[in-house]
Amino acid sequence: GAVVSQHPSRVICKSGTSVKIECRSLDFQATTMFWYRQFPKQSLMLMATSNEGSKATYEQGVEKDKFLINHASLTLSTLTVTSAHPEDSSFYICSAGTWLGTGNIQYFGAGTRLSVL
Amino acid sequence: AQSVTQPDIHITVSEGASLELRCNYSYGATPYLFWYVQSPGQGLQLLLKYFSGDTLVQGIKGFEAEFKRSQSSFNLRKPSVHWSDAAEYFCAVGNNDMRFGAGTRLTVKP
Repeated sequence: GAVVSQHPSRVICKSGTSVKIECRSLDFQATTMFWYRQFPKQSLMLMATSNEGSKATYEQGVEKDKFLINHASLTLSTLTVTSAHPEDSSFYICSAGTWLGTGNIQYFGAGTRLSVL
Repeated sequence: AQSVTQPDIHITVSEGASLELRCNYSYGATPYLFWYVQSPGQGLQLLLKYFSGDTLVQGIKGFEAEFKRSQSSFNLRKPSVHWSDAAEYFCAVGNNDMRFGAGTRLTVKP
């Protein structure tokens, strides 16, 4: 099956630093990748949709200057949380989309737990 | 706008008992429907999907779901639950613009 690797799985950083999270599709090419944020005991909230070679589309209320997304290739997208603050602490999950003839399937990474001190 | 409702926040069943998790959706066109499972601290694993065709879809781990257009529902079922099924279950609708329900936490009693 399709495998999506997300790295790192856990990161602890000081307030004001930037953190980069990588999302790779290992055995398929993903023209579209998605970034979600999940608060404890809550559902996934879509942050942005990223297409290879173009600018990401951000959901309403998501600061594009705060959450920088780069989708440099068909297998790699990165999310950089710039100048992280404690309120950015959360579980971030990426997914990679692949077309199955009649619709897109999203395969998810294992997530990144970000803790900002 | 599309949306997904999972009415049950938490369900507890005994091991070996049957399971049904409810999902209702609102979508403007023919929906793409999914069920995902999430173990604590992990990403989401796709259990099954519905795009078109047979309204009863089979998934992994013995799960199945039935699409009922008249009821705007896509309930997940399993005839006999195993302790390893304890997890959070998310129903989702959409395609590139996927929206998730709030999730149902499943606890399995021995």
